Amino acid sequence: AQKVTQAQTEISVVEKEDVTLDCVYETRDTTYYLFWYKQPPSGELVFLIRRNSFDEQNEISGRYSWNFQKSTSSFNFTITASQVVDSAVYFCALSVRGGGANNLFFGTGTRLTVIP
Amino acid sequence: NAGVTQTPKFRILKIGQSMTLQCTQDMNHNYMYWYRQDPGMGLKLIYYSVGAGITDKGEVPNGYNVSRSTTEDFPLRLELAAPSQTSVYFCASSYPLGIPEKLFFGSGTQLSVL
Repeated sequence: AQKVTQAQTEISVVEKEDVTLDCVYETRDTTYYLFWYKQPPSGELVFLIRRNSFDEQNEISGRYSWNFQKSTSSFNFTITASQVVDSAVYFCALSVRGGGANNLFFGTGTRLTVIP
Repeated sequence: NAGVTQTPKFRILKIGQSMTLQCTQDMNHNYMYWYRQDPGMGLKLIYYSVGAGITDKGEVPNGYNVSRSTTEDFPLRLELAAPSQTSVYFCASSYPLGIPEKLFFGSGTQLSVL
């Protein structure tokens, strides 16, 4: 069975601070895909990144970076120099090979509040 | 670009009433999905469709029905609404590439059953 755990329910940081959102996943499949989605106050979920289980390279996109470590089954998300516009709920999700997007398991989300 | 459009944005139902949540996408995506999001929880899949005329159950299908007569539209029907169906409903779509593809979400429908 697949499971995604986001232990941090809510995080508050002051603007310009760095913040890391944790994601731990469970699966017995050797081929799987990990996602991060952002849900701003407007409500619509927005795709941020997809990584497959064969690619453990960290990725950086502007102020965002992702650390994928198979040894600890983690796919953590770091925002550098946070801004008020980063305030949102962030979801980590897992999909296994053959499951397609109809087999996407979401974590419970982490609400990030960036205080000006 | 419109993307995925859901209507209505808010709705209050009385127990036992029925309603249809509308979803349409203009990206010619084959795959479409309905999720519900309960407070403090992740999204759970209700139903999905891999193309016109083809639908299948997700994790939490009880109390809902769907149809897919066109590529663009994927309505979700609630029959005999119950308080347990109070939730935020999201429609999403994706283009199948053989691997799990990113989903494009609508802005959601907040439904209260009282």
